[in-house]
Amino acid sequence: AQKITQTQPGMFVQEKEAVTLDCTYDTSDQSYGLFWYKQPSSGEMIFLIYQGSYDEQNATEGRYSLNFQKARKSANLVISASQLGDSAMYFCAMRERRGGATNKLIFGTGTLLAVQP
Amino acid sequence: DVKVTQSSRYLVKRTGEKVFLECVQDMDHENMFWYRQDPGLGLRLIYFSYDVKMKEKGDIPEGYSVSREKKERFSLILESASTNQTSMYLCASSLYGQETPLRYGYTFGSGTRLTVV
Repeated sequence: AQKITQTQPGMFVQEKEAVTLDCTYDTSDQSYGLFWYKQPSSGEMIFLIYQGSYDEQNATEGRYSLNFQKARKSANLVISASQLGDSAMYFCAMRERRGGATNKLIFGTGTLLAVQP
Repeated sequence: DVKVTQSSRYLVKRTGEKVFLECVQDMDHENMFWYRQDPGLGLRLIYFSYDVKMKEKGDIPEGYSVSREKKERFSLILESASTNQTSMYLCASSLYGQETPLRYGYTFGSGTRLTVV
């Protein structure tokens, strides 16, 4: 069963507008962490934001915020005031506490975001 | 400030060649991972290692092997490259141990785009 689902293969957004990238996850673990990574065309994966399952507040990092709805098992990334440099592939990932000492991340299939001027 | 280094950004090899992809990290991480990334499939785990000379298969190990002789270096080997191994290869490292705080994810290298002709 797929544990991380990103249903939007690609999205367009106008520059300066906000955009939401969807991510749903599946776990029976009570303790887990959720991550978003950005991958520009250069290929490097850049960590953006983290949300822990016990965090009461939604995580924010500058223009990035994570809309965490635990009951719905969703962890959507919101980018405010989009910039041309936000054009990239975005991956949602999860780490489960019960995943063991190797701390593997489980990744979604990604969403390709294109910001239009 | 480079922390995880992949030796080649682009590589073109011929079918049947033995191919080595090298990854070096200077973060003293115990865990190292090799993923391949293909459009629509996200990141798929090939192999990982949690200690020197230790290795475990991931989800798609067929056609690949790995070597970890030193803590900082993790090599991916394509014994006889085939065209279906044309892909983006990503190396990552992380801390080991179940007590590691959940917020610690991966540090990635910049990726190697391998083309097998």
